[in-house]
Amino acid sequence: EAGVAQSPRYKIIEKRQSVAFWCNPISGHATLYWYQQILGQGPKLLIQFQNNGVVDDSQLPKDRFSAERLKGVDSTLKIQPAKLEDSAVYLCASSLRTGHEQYFGPGTRLTVT
Amino acid sequence: QKEVEQNSGPLSVPEGAIASLNCTYSDRGSQSFFWYRQYSGKSPELIMFIYSNGDKEDGRFTAQLNKASQYVSLLIRDSQPSDSATYLCAAVGEGGSARQLTFGSGTQLTVLP
Repeated sequence: EAGVAQSPRYKIIEKRQSVAFWCNPISGHATLYWYQQILGQGPKLLIQFQNNGVVDDSQLPKDRFSAERLKGVDSTLKIQPAKLEDSAVYLCASSLRTGHEQYFGPGTRLTVT
Repeated sequence: QKEVEQNSGPLSVPEGAIASLNCTYSDRGSQSFFWYRQYSGKSPELIMFIYSNGDKEDGRFTAQLNKASQYVSLLIRDSQPSDSATYLCAAVGEGGSARQLTFGSGTQLTVLP
């Protein structure tokens, strides 16, 4: 069974530029999550989708971050404009249903200069 | 605010010893608990989950849950240098439909050959 796919794996941008990340979850997984992980910390949930609907985006900085999962399968996370403090690893995870064990993709390491 | 607390370590054990990793959580309504292993530069990998009080064993790993004390632990028997990683504890609450996964900041384990 294929795991969670993410791209790109690495991205370097200047502050105030925009960037987008893509995620394809494990086949059949209804719930998709985007996390931000800063070095030395645990992952922090940014947004959670159930099929193509948002169920939790309380920690998403909505003035600069947006995410969508239009067809209930793959998802994109966008940052516009980026700030230095957005430098982190962005992890996508999926689970069969909300509350079930989550499986992570390889992540995208973002560096904002 | 839901919190998951872990000793950041680093924790060092000799090869062949038992490594004991501990975690406490603040949300008394939490029902599901997960242990993830994260190698440096990699994404978290699920190694154990536990829902009921008591012990759950899987190979060299044993998860222990005490809901009355709001305490979760992970024991690694016959520790190997390949077990050297950061171990993340996570808890899922019962609040609403989101059932957000809250991570601790991780405990760094080093197994010395």
